[in-house]
Amino acid sequence: DAGVTQSPTHLIKTRGQHVTLRCSPISGHKSVSWYQQVLGQGPQFIFQYYEKEERGRGNFPDRFSARQFPNYSSELNVNALLLGDSALYLCASSTLDRVNSPLHFGNGTRLTVT
Amino acid sequence: GQNIDQPTEMTATEGAIVQINCTYQTSGFNGLFWYQQHAGEAPTFLSYNVLDGLEEKGRFSSFLSRSKGYSYLLLKELQMKDSASYLCAVRDAYSGAGSYQLTFGKGTKLSVIP
Repeated sequence: DAGVTQSPTHLIKTRGQHVTLRCSPISGHKSVSWYQQVLGQGPQFIFQYYEKEERGRGNFPDRFSARQFPNYSSELNVNALLLGDSALYLCASSTLDRVNSPLHFGNGTRLTVT
Repeated sequence: GQNIDQPTEMTATEGAIVQINCTYQTSGFNGLFWYQQHAGEAPTFLSYNVLDGLEEKGRFSSFLSRSKGYSYLLLKELQMKDSASYLCAVRDAYSGAGSYQLTFGKGTKLSVIP
């Protein structure tokens, strides 16, 4: 079975530009979450969607937005990029059918802002 | 909010046992996860604890004490491939249908030496 897939794998953008990151969850998973991981740190929660509705939002500025589509895939958008947005962006999916359902992570998109 | 602490780095010898500690202070608690992350790869799920006690899974075991806000991951018979970062993460208390948010520690980088 295919795992969580993310595209692109790497991206280089200039300050002030906009970026769209994409994620396809594991088949049957209706929850998709986005995390930002800066080098040497643990992942930090950005958004979570379930059944196409936003269920949680982390402490990130309004430049960050996301959405989930009817097929449960998701996009993360970041506007007006700053140098500090350079990070690994991880998408994770889950079934939410049990309290101990783990998050399954994709390999991430490495974003570099110059 | 959540505050999670883990040692930054640890070194252990191949074949030995290592214990990675995690302490947390949370406003709500719905379980603690351990993830393994090799350099440049996605985090992968290792274990989940929500009740006090030890959960054993092959060479890996995880312990939780809710009253002390403390967990540890125990790795036995260390192998070179166990060199990775180990992430402790707490799941927030229930905050609505379909919600799922993890707060991660900064991770412990484990180096296994011959």
